[in-house]
Amino acid sequence: GENVEQHPSTLSVQEGDSAVIKCTYSDSASNYFPWYKQELGKRPQLIIDIRSNVGEKKDQRIAVTLNKTAKHFSLHITETQPEDSAVYFCAARYSGGGADGLTFGKGTHLIIQP
Amino acid sequence: GAVVSQHPSRVICKSGTSVKIECRSLDFQATTMFWYRQFPKQSLMLMATSNEGSKATYEQGVEKDKFLINHASLTLSTLTVTSAHPEDSSFYICSARGGQTFRQYFGPGTRLTVT
Repeated sequence: GENVEQHPSTLSVQEGDSAVIKCTYSDSASNYFPWYKQELGKRPQLIIDIRSNVGEKKDQRIAVTLNKTAKHFSLHITETQPEDSAVYFCAARYSGGGADGLTFGKGTHLIIQP
Repeated sequence: GAVVSQHPSRVICKSGTSVKIECRSLDFQATTMFWYRQFPKQSLMLMATSNEGSKATYEQGVEKDKFLINHASLTLSTLTVTSAHPEDSSFYICSARGGQTFRQYFGPGTRLTVT
């Protein structure tokens, strides 16, 4: 099965600075990598995703990069704002044996310091 | 678009009883639905994948006779926790995916407490 490692577990940055969260995955057959933001007690919300045939994707202040050779992908948030404070999860999609789900990293608690 | 609802949001039940949780896609047809479990301050763990009209595929270590999943229509999947025990207390979240996309949209979750 797939294994996803996520670092750091906690990240504190000054408002306005950039934040970077990194993930590695183990299964070279994984082909889809979403990032979710989860606020306390709420559902995970998809913020950006990337497929394995693309190296980089950007949506306003958020970008994701993927290195298939090294099997790692990263989330970049620029010009951070207080509302960016949340737990962020990376995930990788694997498919096989009838299963077709996401394997999640352990999460990064992002704290934006005013 | 892509709204997923879950019911109930919270449930408390006694040990040994069964609880049913519903997951609905409100504005799209979900060919595949997923059930995850999340312990406090931890990540989401996939329990099972369910395709409409087919038997669910369970992840290793998840007891299919304990966690019954039914996906009878393109907008509804249910998870029944049978003979619940205190260790089953957790946050259960469903997600749904439709069409040709890989994107999964999550429901708001159900907080299950077994006393």
